[in-house]
Amino acid sequence: GENVEQHPSTLSVQEGDSAVIKCTYSDSASNYFPWYKQELGKRPQLIIDIRSNVGEKKDQRIAVTLNKTAKHFSLHITETQPEDSAVYFCAAKNYGGSQGNLIFGKGTKLSVKP
Amino acid sequence: NAGVTQTPKFQVLKTGQSMTLQCAQDMNHNSMYWYRQDPGMGLRLIYYSASEGTTDKGEVPNGYNVSRLNKREFSLRLESAAPSQTSVYFCASSEARGTDTQYFGPGTRLTVL
Repeated sequence: GENVEQHPSTLSVQEGDSAVIKCTYSDSASNYFPWYKQELGKRPQLIIDIRSNVGEKKDQRIAVTLNKTAKHFSLHITETQPEDSAVYFCAAKNYGGSQGNLIFGKGTKLSVKP
Repeated sequence: NAGVTQTPKFQVLKTGQSMTLQCAQDMNHNSMYWYRQDPGMGLRLIYYSASEGTTDKGEVPNGYNVSRLNKREFSLRLESAAPSQTSVYFCASSEARGTDTQYFGPGTRLTVL
């Protein structure tokens, strides 16, 4: 089955700096890769996603890149702000497969220092 | 729309007790899911229901049972709680199992003593 590795487990940056979180997946058939943000004590919420027919996707200060050959994808946050502090989870899914369930990474705790 | 709701928010059980976690969604979604979240472990799928009337095991189903009561409601039951089941439980829903965005409920924090 699918396995998703996420690095780093913790990340501390200064306000205004960029933050990058990386994930690798094992199942080459996976074709959908979402990122969820979870603030302390809150529920996970989708912030951006990418499908395997796209190499990069941007939404304001966040972007996700996908390298299918290497089986890894990354979340990039530019001009970080204190409100970006949260735990970020990557996930992978075989959209059309018999399983079709999201497999999550273990999370990255991002701290943005003012 | 309330989205996905869960009850209770917090619960403390003694080993061997049973309880049912309730989940409801008002988005007319077909698929519903139960996850557990443990420190450093991410979100792990316990059970899911692709559509009303069907349920299937996820990654960590042992010690749990589920019921898809109707299209709106999906409950998770612990028959004989164990300390290893201390966790935060999230319910989620999506339009269909093959579609993308999952919407999560606020979670239930369960402690088993």
